[in-house]
Amino acid sequence: QVTLKESGPVLVKPTETLTLTCTVSGFSLSNARMGVSWIRQPPGKALEWLAHIFSNDEKSYSTSLKSRLTISKDTSKSQVVLTMTNMDPVDTATYYCARMVLTGYRSFDYWGQGTLVTVSS
Amino acid sequence: EIVLTQSPGTLSLSPGERATLSCRASQSVSSSYLAWYQQKPGQAPRLLIYGASSRATGIPDRFSGSGSGTDFTLTISRLEPEDFAVYYCQQYGSSFYTFGQGTKLEIK
Repeated sequence: QVTLKESGPVLVKPTETLTLTCTVSGFSLSNARMGVSWIRQPPGKALEWLAHIFSNDEKSYSTSLKSRLTISKDTSKSQVVLTMTNMDPVDTATYYCARMVLTGYRSFDYWGQGTLVTVSS
Repeated sequence: EIVLTQSPGTLSLSPGERATLSCRASQSVSSSYLAWYQQKPGQAPRLLIYGASSRATGIPDRFSGSGSGTDFTLTISRLEPEDFAVYYCQQYGSSFYTFGQGTKLEIK
C-alpha cells in the first residue's frame, strides 16, 4: 500500500525557514522510476507546484520560488525534505507531497493528506 | 512556463446532467503530459485522468478526457452527487509542472 505523509511545523514566523518532511511507504525512493514533488495550496486557492526530485537525485524547482527552495531525499529513511527560506504570510498554505511514477506520463498518482502551515508573528 | 487556463470558473449543474470542463494551455502540451484531478473539501487531490484520456485506477467510466495541443476537456457524462467538487488540470513540460486555477462544479 502506497502512502505519503507530510510532517513539519504548524506555525512559523515571518523570515524563518520552513522544513517539511514527506515520509513514504509502499515504494522505494531508490526505484529508478519514482519521483516525489511538493505542491502547495493557499486557503481557498489553486494548487501550486513547488519542487520535484527523482531517484537519481535530479531536481527541478518552480521558477518563481527557486531561490528559496531546496529539495532533498534520504533514501534509507524513505523521506523527502523541502526547505523554504524567508517565509512570509503569503506562504500560508497546505503543503502536499505527491508521487510521480516515471512512465510515459507525468502525473501524480498518490498524494499525502497535506499539512497546513501558517506564517504569522 | 506554460500557463493553464480553466473554464468556466464555476459550473452549476444538476445530478444526471453532463459536465464539460475546459483546460487551455498557453502553448502546446504533449497529450502524454496532461492530467486531471478532483479535489473535495478538506481532501487531497485525486488523480482522475492521465495522458489526457486514460482513466486512473478505480475511476468510473462516466469520467473521460480528450483533447490535444492547447485544448483539453474533461467530461462527466452523468453527474452523481459525489462528483460535485473542484477539478484541476495539470501539465508537465521542460522539467516544470503547472496546474490550472480550477473549476468548481456545484449543485444547481
